[in-house]
Amino acid sequence: NAGVTQTPKFQVLKTGQSMTLQCAQDMNHEYMSWYRQDPGMGLRLIHYSVGAGITDQGEVPNGYNVSRSTTEDFPLRLLSAAPSQTSVYFCASSQPIPLNRTGNTEAFFGQGTRLTVV
Amino acid sequence: AQTVTQSQPEMSVQEAETVTLSCTYDTSENNYYLFWYKQPPSRQMILVIRQEAYKQQNATENRFSVNFQKAAKSFSLKISDSQLGDTAMYFCAFMKHVLSRWEYGNKLVFGAGTILRVKS
Repeated sequence: NAGVTQTPKFQVLKTGQSMTLQCAQDMNHEYMSWYRQDPGMGLRLIHYSVGAGITDQGEVPNGYNVSRSTTEDFPLRLLSAAPSQTSVYFCASSQPIPLNRTGNTEAFFGQGTRLTVV
Repeated sequence: AQTVTQSQPEMSVQEAETVTLSCTYDTSENNYYLFWYKQPPSRQMILVIRQEAYKQQNATENRFSVNFQKAAKSFSLKISDSQLGDTAMYFCAFMKHVLSRWEYGNKLVFGAGTILRVKS
């Protein structure tokens, strides 16, 4: 059971470089999202997608770009890396919350990418 | 906008004892979900327990239980019979229940986290 797969697990970038964090899920989930985790701040939403071809900004979108060409993949692009983007990044997927009052929902997370920008 | 507050940055407990982690939240929503996630040193995010706001009964999962006080907007996690493997960062998280199929309701709002250390 692969679940949500993120690559790479670790990455060091120089300021100004660009890179793409990969995320893939095999659960046929409609919803996918990217979070960043910083000390003392928990996880914050960067971008999200409700389905292939549909993306939107979260709480901290600046400096990042996303696309969703397939249900399975949701890559996160850093356009020009800055030291402020040093963080741990998580990709998550889930199914829509049921519109009736019963049913459960859960976000499944990848193992995270530790990114350092020097 | 919703906010989640975890007022205990760090806690420690002796093995086999009970510990309670605090979480408060602020929202004007009536229907929502609350979660506790565990993040061990491996960095993996693991769902510990989930509570639906319309359910008055507190959720339990083996040694983990919650005290959900909707009026007070409080959602604490109790860990009984603490084990060394419970050592981790614990995050409280909020998710609102949307009514529109195309509104993205699965946005999680996280607290800052509580580091729990279980001592032998």
